[in-house]
Amino acid sequence: VQLHESGPRLVKPSGTLSLTCAVSGDSFSSPKWWSWVRQSPGKGLEWIGEIYHSRSANYNPSLKTRVTMSVDKSKNQFSLRLTSVTAADTAVYYCARVRASAAGLFDSWGQGILVTVSS
Amino acid sequence: DIQMTQSPSTLSASVGDRVTITCRASQSISSRLAWYQHKPGKAPKLLIYDASSLESGVPSRFSGSGSGTDFTLTISSLQPDDFATYYCQQYNNFSWTFGQGTKVEI
Repeated sequence: VQLHESGPRLVKPSGTLSLTCAVSGDSFSSPKWWSWVRQSPGKGLEWIGEIYHSRSANYNPSLKTRVTMSVDKSKNQFSLRLTSVTAADTAVYYCARVRASAAGLFDSWGQGILVTVSS
Repeated sequence: DIQMTQSPSTLSASVGDRVTITCRASQSISSRLAWYQHKPGKAPKLLIYDASSLESGVPSRFSGSGSGTDFTLTISSLQPDDFATYYCQQYNNFSWTFGQGTKVEI
């Protein structure tokens, strides 16, 4: 399986960050969770949230009010939307597949995309 | 949230060394702990899951142990390809959390 993140690499403060993860080698027709994780400069990894193939979602409580995830089964991709961004949201954003047999275990990752929040 | 604390933050080692990284959880997570290897500009790679199970395709020099709150990742004989940052992650309690990382450098 391969995952590839895409989207704008520069977002203005107070704007909306929108990213897409294209998945190849796996199908959204089989039930599993798909996730987003980020890494701010000089910091560790932070789980953002996850979405199920049937469009149920769970979000990190610290980001819950600003995050929305969605799935497009026809395109075999899922998306992240983060509103009201600030410089603190500058990070490398990774998409990942959650192992079907183990909730919360990320067994495949994309290479990541650096998104900078700046005017 | 469960806090994951790794030590050391940085580890200097040589090829052939035995390397041990520790991870401590702020409360019991049973054995639901994973270890990932991360190199700059690359996708993180799952090495160990369920604290001690080796992911398919991962060299046997990597091993994991522990349960409850204390865990270790051991590299039995460090190879040039192993210089990277290693993260532990708990998946026992929602929301999932990571350690701050251990950079293994020459």
